[in-house]
Amino acid sequence: KAGVTQTPRYLIKTRGQQVTLSCSPISGHRSVSWYQQTPGQGLQFLFEYFSETQRNKGNFPGRFSGRQFSNSRSEMNVSTLELGDSALYLCASSLVGSLRSPFYEQYFGPGTRLTVT
Amino acid sequence: SQKIEQNSEALNIQEGKTATLTCNYTNYSPAYLQWYRQDPGRGPVFLLLIRENEKEKRKERLKVTFDTTLKQSLFHITASQPADSATYLCALLHSGGGADGLTFGKGTHLIIQP
Repeated sequence: KAGVTQTPRYLIKTRGQQVTLSCSPISGHRSVSWYQQTPGQGLQFLFEYFSETQRNKGNFPGRFSGRQFSNSRSEMNVSTLELGDSALYLCASSLVGSLRSPFYEQYFGPGTRLTVT
Repeated sequence: SQKIEQNSEALNIQEGKTATLTCNYTNYSPAYLQWYRQDPGRGPVFLLLIRENEKEKRKERLKVTFDTTLKQSLFHITASQPADSATYLCALLHSGGGADGLTFGKGTHLIIQP
């Protein structure tokens, strides 16, 4: 079974631009979460989607948004990019629908490395 | 404030020995705690989940303990091998309700020396 795929793998953008990142979960997985990873802050939760609905949201500004499609594929968008948005953006999918389930396991993709100049 | 702390210094262990990594937390009431492995340039890989009412969990050479009184989880790799070298992350889910996701520690870099 194919793993979680993310596109593009690398991206360079200019401050003020906007960017859209894509994530295809493992087949059959309906829960998709997004994370930002930086050396200073580590791995930080952005949001989680299940059946096209955002169920959980981390503490990020409104410039960060996402959506999930009926085939469970997900996109995240960052508008008005800032230098501090440079990071590895990771997507993870889960077969178990509830984050609060004791059987919750996430499978991460390889990430998109975003550089803002 | 809420914090999850892992030893930021690299941990050097001789091959064959047991490696023990620590995850401490403050001001959380975890529903569960997870451990992940991350290699350079790759996403984290899920290893183990331990619930707040469990003391210990094992999987092959891995063992996790959870002490909610000490607010600490220990992650052990027995008979360590150079291939176990990686960064190990702990993550917890707060049981206090709300719509937050998993909170991760910053990870400990483990180096197994041949």
